[in-house]
Amino acid sequence: AQTVTQSQPEMSVQEAETVTLSCTYDTSESDYYLFWYKQPPSRQMILVIRQEAYKQQNATENRFSVNFQKAAKSFSLKISDSQLGDAAMYFCAYRTGANNLFFGTGTRLTVIP
Amino acid sequence: NAGVTQTPKFRVLKTGQSMTLLCAQDMNHEYMYWYRQDPGMGLRLIHYSVGEGTTAKGEVPDGYNVSRLKKQNFLLGLESAAPSQTSVYFCASKWAHKADTQYFGPGTRLTVL
Repeated sequence: AQTVTQSQPEMSVQEAETVTLSCTYDTSESDYYLFWYKQPPSRQMILVIRQEAYKQQNATENRFSVNFQKAAKSFSLKISDSQLGDAAMYFCAYRTGANNLFFGTGTRLTVIP
Repeated sequence: NAGVTQTPKFRVLKTGQSMTLLCAQDMNHEYMYWYRQDPGMGLRLIHYSVGEGTTAKGEVPDGYNVSRLKKQNFLLGLESAAPSQTSVYFCASKWAHKADTQYFGPGTRLTVL
């Protein structure tokens, strides 16, 4: 069974600083996709970034980047130049094939002004 | 373009009552999903559909039924609500390609007394 583990229930970062959120996963598949979703207090699930497992290059989206270590089954999210609007729950998710997304339990990020 | 919408946003039921949650998407997506989110946990897949007229079970299907009579709508039914079904329910949809990303609705908060 696929599992996704986020070992940091809460994290905090000073505004304008950098923070890294950790995620590890367990799978026997070779072809899969990894995602980071942001959930602000509005509850809306917002895609932050995604990574295809077959791509060696780490994905980046503006201030968000990932460190994808396939052999270690690790997929961390780095947020640079943190902003107050980055405060939210962040969920790591794994998907194989076309369907099921498996989510971690989330990391609550607080941004300190 | 409204994306993924969910009706209602909030609902309170008594044990044993029935209700239907409606998910609608205007992006012509083939795949649709229903998830539940409980405190301290990530989203878990209840049921999903890979096209009009099809449904399949996810990780936690017991106590729920679904129907996909129209491509743009995916209904989640609770025939006899139980307190254990108190949760926030999210609908999501995506295009058919396996690389595509799921887009989420705003969620429905359901309380069963």
